[in-house]
Amino acid sequence: QSVLTQPPSVSAAPGQTVTISCSGTTSSIGSNYISWYQQVPGTAPKLLFFDNDLRPSGIPHRFSASKSGTSATLTITGLHTEDAAYYYCQTWDSRLSVVVFGGGTNLAVL
Amino acid sequence: EVQLVESGGGLVEPGRSLRLSCVGSGFTFRAYEMNWVRQAPGKGLEWLSYLSPSGDTVYYSDSVRGRFTISRDNAKNSLFLNMEGLRVDDTAVYYCARDRGSEASIGSSNYWGRGTLVTVSS
Repeated sequence: QSVLTQPPSVSAAPGQTVTISCSGTTSSIGSNYISWYQQVPGTAPKLLFFDNDLRPSGIPHRFSASKSGTSATLTITGLHTEDAAYYYCQTWDSRLSVVVFGGGTNLAVL
Repeated sequence: EVQLVESGGGLVEPGRSLRLSCVGSGFTFRAYEMNWVRQAPGKGLEWLSYLSPSGDTVYYSDSVRGRFTISRDNAKNSLFLNMEGLRVDDTAVYYCARDRGSEASIGSSNYWGRGTLVTVSS
């Protein structure tokens, strides 16, 4: 059981917008920065966002992220077929002194 | 170019031990925090352990604390994970990942290896 809660799956058509939520606690998301990763099956995870909403170089601007209180959201606008992947949120839990991941969300681009 | 290459995976019987290695290149290895993360077949990402550049700060997940030991040899640009008392549910791809080094986002990793598969089975 993951400490961060994500929907198992979401789907949308190319060109549409999709949001992926990540819910945590006051000691996890509520007290620390969150990161988001994209993982295509069979490959290593790729950092999409760090420090809640900062995008590493090379990440398209159609990806955006935000955090409010103990929850965070990843938004992808103008979906491309190549965005089909698993998405994970991650943060540090100050009370437990562990890194925590969400269970992952499978994005299907129909 | 930053590269992380894991090795040491394989098939091992339950209860046995295994040591994973990760060699870093293309960056100043001794300056960065490092993490081990695993992914069981068909499952999500699970963080295992974090180690500071000097080795004086270490964190473990509850699932491996007491069985796994993280260490590093900065002279050899290497990170290790000693795994003891392996169980069937330790079967996974094990990744090493370079931490971004932010105190407010421990575990946030911008570079990952390709992983090494550990299979625990009799």
